[in-house]
Amino acid sequence: AQSVTQPDIHITVSEGASLELRCNYSYGATPYLFWYVQSPGQGLQLLLKYFSGDTLVQGIKGFEAEFKRSQSSFNLRKPSVHWSDAAEYFCAVGAIGRSNYQLIWGAGTKLIIKP
Amino acid sequence: DVKVTQSSRYLVKRTGEKVFLECVQDMDHENMFWYRQDPGLGLRLIYFSYDVKMKEKGDIPEGYSVSREKKERFSLILESASTNQTSMYLCASSFTLAVSTDTQYFGPGTRLTVL
Repeated sequence: AQSVTQPDIHITVSEGASLELRCNYSYGATPYLFWYVQSPGQGLQLLLKYFSGDTLVQGIKGFEAEFKRSQSSFNLRKPSVHWSDAAEYFCAVGAIGRSNYQLIWGAGTKLIIKP
Repeated sequence: DVKVTQSSRYLVKRTGEKVFLECVQDMDHENMFWYRQDPGLGLRLIYFSYDVKMKEKGDIPEGYSVSREKKERFSLILESASTNQTSMYLCASSFTLAVSTDTQYFGPGTRLTVL
């Protein structure tokens, strides 16, 4: 069955340190991959998405993600986090060929920033 | 900017009450969604609508119904609220019919507590 796993429920990072949030998916066909962020009191916002081409994708707010087919992963990275990055991050997978109305969502990773 | 608004940020209801959650989008999007978000479970799709008066069940439609009388408005109805429906409810919209590949725009959420 198709699934998305975000292995880390919480991650704590010091302000200014680098960040990597993990996302692994299970899907037989070509995946369409998304990262969304949910800041406190706000709706989810798209950070970036990957459909094809260059496997390193740049997003908003200085985030990037790398698609690695061999590892079935789409990890989110940022070289230097800011206190405003404290939020919950969701990975999601969609694909042509499956039901057209549904994304498969990960459980989310809550990012905590230490001053 | 796309704006998705939800009628309430916080709602407290009693068991057995009929509850209406309203969602409005201002960008003429074809598709609208209702999700519930619970800790550790990510987002789960309740219902989806791809046109006025059209709807499809998501993963967890039991205990819920929806209404879409106008393109910009999508309502979620809890016919008889129960305590296990205490959750955060998120509304989203997207432009194209390629739902599994298109960006979704989210409202800020309604945190519903059923006592």
